[in-house]
Amino acid sequence: SAVISQKPSRDICQRGTSLTIQCQVDSQVTMMFWYRQQPGQSLTLIATANQGSEATYESGFVIDKFPISRPNLTFSTLTVSNMSPEDSSIYLCSVVGTGGAWTEAFFGQGTRLTVV
Amino acid sequence: AQTVTQSQPEMSVQEAETVTLSCTYDTSENNYYLFWYKQPPSRQMILVIRQEAYKQQNATENRFSVNFQKAAKSFSLKISDSQLGDTAMYFCAFMNRAGGTSYGKLTFGQGTILTVHP
Repeated sequence: SAVISQKPSRDICQRGTSLTIQCQVDSQVTMMFWYRQQPGQSLTLIATANQGSEATYESGFVIDKFPISRPNLTFSTLTVSNMSPEDSSIYLCSVVGTGGAWTEAFFGQGTRLTVV
Repeated sequence: AQTVTQSQPEMSVQEAETVTLSCTYDTSENNYYLFWYKQPPSRQMILVIRQEAYKQQNATENRFSVNFQKAAKSFSLKISDSQLGDTAMYFCAFMNRAGGTSYGKLTFGQGTILTVHP
């Protein structure tokens, strides 16, 4: 299993500012994933963060808006830049753990972002 | 690309009763995982049950079981003896088991809000 510590758990930010969300895993993982969950909606993958290379962004998400860092195998950050009220969402980081024949995705506690 | 569809936005059930949540998916892959995740108001995503596509036997975890119909691309969740603590949003999710750029990425359904009434 993997334990993920994500912070902050929530924040209220002014439009036009930026927020950096941190994700710390208790074991080394190759890939970390960042998801967005808009109010009342499902989770959508923003990007995949690989250590030592640029993050890979999904369609509709760009690096200028959501820059990601991955300095080592246990840590990643997601920045939400130049925020607008439409960025108000829950942001979650995730890693995939494997043990023998099984695979499971583990999640951080999520960051509830409100932009005013 | 994969799609996952949950056609029940909300469901309710009485405590101790049984409820089934529906999920269908579409993929051209043959080797994959399917999951049900639970998200209570705390926002924490909790794995309820997982199924490997190559296994014909339906997965079970205590009060939770699935009906996996690979040909029909259907993956429903049955909750028996429902408890108040089962109240949450439930997400069906797909993960490609093959390696490469798609490994580890989850595609989620829209979610079903389940309310268990006393």
